[in-house]
Amino acid sequence: DVKVTQSSRYLVKRTGEKVFLECVQDMDHENMFWYRQDPGLGLRLIYFSYDVKMKEKGDIPEGYSVSREKKERFSLILESASTNQTSMYLCASSLWRRGSEQYFGPGTRLTVT
Amino acid sequence: EDQVTQSPEALRLQEGESSSLNCSYTVSGLRGLFWYRQDPGKGPEFLFTLYSAGEEKEKERLKATLTKKESFLHITAPKPEDSATYLCAVIAGSNYKLTFGKGTLLTVNP
Repeated sequence: DVKVTQSSRYLVKRTGEKVFLECVQDMDHENMFWYRQDPGLGLRLIYFSYDVKMKEKGDIPEGYSVSREKKERFSLILESASTNQTSMYLCASSLWRRGSEQYFGPGTRLTVT
Repeated sequence: EDQVTQSPEALRLQEGESSSLNCSYTVSGLRGLFWYRQDPGKGPEFLFTLYSAGEEKEKERLKATLTKKESFLHITAPKPEDSATYLCAVIAGSNYKLTFGKGTLLTVNP
């Protein structure tokens, strides 16, 4: 079974703090993704990585950065958290082949106050 | 731009009452259509991948079908534990990313 884990289920941070969300997958997948999910807006891609140290911007990268130093680990960084970054953050992974299904982690509910 | 539209937004069924959810898509060069189930406060759970028109996949009470313009998720004799939001997503062209629909919230009453 594919397993994608995220470092926290719930997180509360203050405006201006630097926030790290971590994701680990155990299936040797090449691709890893960060999405955020908001009511009425659905899931939107923030960043993805197709290899170690490689990354590409998704649809809404502003205010975020990512890091992938090891194949199994993909981190999302909020450089200076703002209230409009309060959301559910979902990590996913997939094989390299386009059209491969993505497997999601349990999500991190981030609240920025 | 890839577009995915799901209908209805919400569906309420009685236990045992079969029905279908719709996912229509507008993409250039479909590489895969995916169905996910999402329970409240959790990440989406992968259900099916469909690659070409005419393809069908089944799992327990769920059956997914694909045409050139839409996909259906048929639910046969649903049970209360089938209650969830069902998401449809596509990958097209040279993209790696999933484009999601807004989902259908299914409620099955006992």
